[in-house]
Amino acid sequence: EPEVTQTPSHQVTQMGQEVILRCVPISNHLYFYWYRQILGQKVEFLVSFYNNEISEKSEIFDDQFSVERPDGSNFTLKIRSTKLEDSAMYFCASGILAGGGPDTQYFGPGTRLTVL
Amino acid sequence: AQSVTQPDIHITVSEGASLELRCNYSYGATPYLFWYVQSPGQGLQLLLKYFSGDTLVQGIKGFEAEFKRSQSSFNLRKPSVHWSDAAEYFCAVGAGGTSYGKLTFGQGTILTVHP
Repeated sequence: EPEVTQTPSHQVTQMGQEVILRCVPISNHLYFYWYRQILGQKVEFLVSFYNNEISEKSEIFDDQFSVERPDGSNFTLKIRSTKLEDSAMYFCASGILAGGGPDTQYFGPGTRLTVL
Repeated sequence: AQSVTQPDIHITVSEGASLELRCNYSYGATPYLFWYVQSPGQGLQLLLKYFSGDTLVQGIKGFEAEFKRSQSSFNLRKPSVHWSDAAEYFCAVGAGGTSYGKLTFGQGTILTVHP
């Protein structure tokens, strides 16, 4: 069964450094998402992406964050200058949204980001 | 704005006992509702979903959920819990209209299963 994959599984970085989290969505999916889960808190929506542009973003997704689909398979989340509070599990998800109706999102295993 | 409440942070049941995890949502239109499960160190796995039609939906691993519009609830049930069901369970609501993508999650319910 196709699945969403994410690399790395764990990333440790120094505050102020740039990080890029990578995701490979399910191949025929058209919609891509990033969520994060700070330890002990809810899973929070960050951004959705369709047709090579952001379709919606949350207030968390400020100028320090960016997303890109650099090729036909990868979907990346970049944090330009990490802060301590960016430490979280970051989940990528993808969906097909066929026919414009409600969609099911399939989640990857997550990347745990630790900012020191 | 949509929101989801899972009133129980932690539930403990004995193996073989029945289970009900509560979920209440707030959303102005017809909600699209989901239950996901997260085992330790794993991602979010879809258990079941409700989009429309029959309000009792069946999912994987023997789980079911019932959509009750009058109570704004979407409770998850299982008649007989197995030790492997120990995990964290998340209820989520998806928006309609032009924002199909955004899922809003509840805070999760941790399920512990005693032998």
